[in-house]
Amino acid sequence: DTGVSQNPRHKITKRGQNVTFRCDPISEHNRLYWYRQTLGQGPEFLTYFQNEAQLEKSRLLSDRFSAERPKGSFSTLEIQRTEQGDSAMYLCASSSARQGIMTGELFFGEGSRLTVL
Amino acid sequence: TQLLEQSPQFLSIQEGENLTVYCNSSSVFSSLQWYRQEPGEGPVLLVTVVTGGEVKKLKRLTFQFGDARKDSSLHITAAQPGDTGLYLCLSKGVNSGNTPLVFGKGTRLSVIA
Repeated sequence: DTGVSQNPRHKITKRGQNVTFRCDPISEHNRLYWYRQTLGQGPEFLTYFQNEAQLEKSRLLSDRFSAERPKGSFSTLEIQRTEQGDSAMYLCASSSARQGIMTGELFFGEGSRLTVL
Repeated sequence: TQLLEQSPQFLSIQEGENLTVYCNSSSVFSSLQWYRQEPGEGPVLLVTVVTGGEVKKLKRLTFQFGDARKDSSLHITAAQPGDTGLYLCLSKGVNSGNTPLVFGKGTRLSVIA
């Protein structure tokens, strides 16, 4: 068990460029979550997958954001036409279907920090 | 979506002092988890509480779940610099089904040696 892996860890981009983040969850976990966290704040929910199905998507996720989990394993989060307000830490978490969704532990990666200049 | 309010937002104390932080909602929690996050890392689970009135202890940390399951507290005895971090509560939203798991904004604790 290598834990949740995210890359890149840091990304600096110019406004208007597209960026993509990847998350590799713990191998047997079927639930995968994306959160966004700005400095000093708690993580804000963005989207949630169970296997390959995207079951929930926050209103925070504008049309410029898209997430996929094509084979129910790794996931990608793409931001198109980045804006300075997109600068944040993007956290990925996974959890096991063996645990209830209400009580199961979320295992987080170390995050991908995006800076939009 | 259920809103979780955490207080205080910031707390700075001396090593050895006791402290309590709170997590409240106007709605009933299905369950509640406490996480701690250190700089540059993702949150790590401390405890899950499910039953109203439940008390759980983890070394110097004591977690309480309100009888009505609308509030929770975390008490730290004899705080140490290693307790420094962002303490987050997490609960399932009230809109049934596969509702997203919602974090509070956190309490940032600084323990000064």
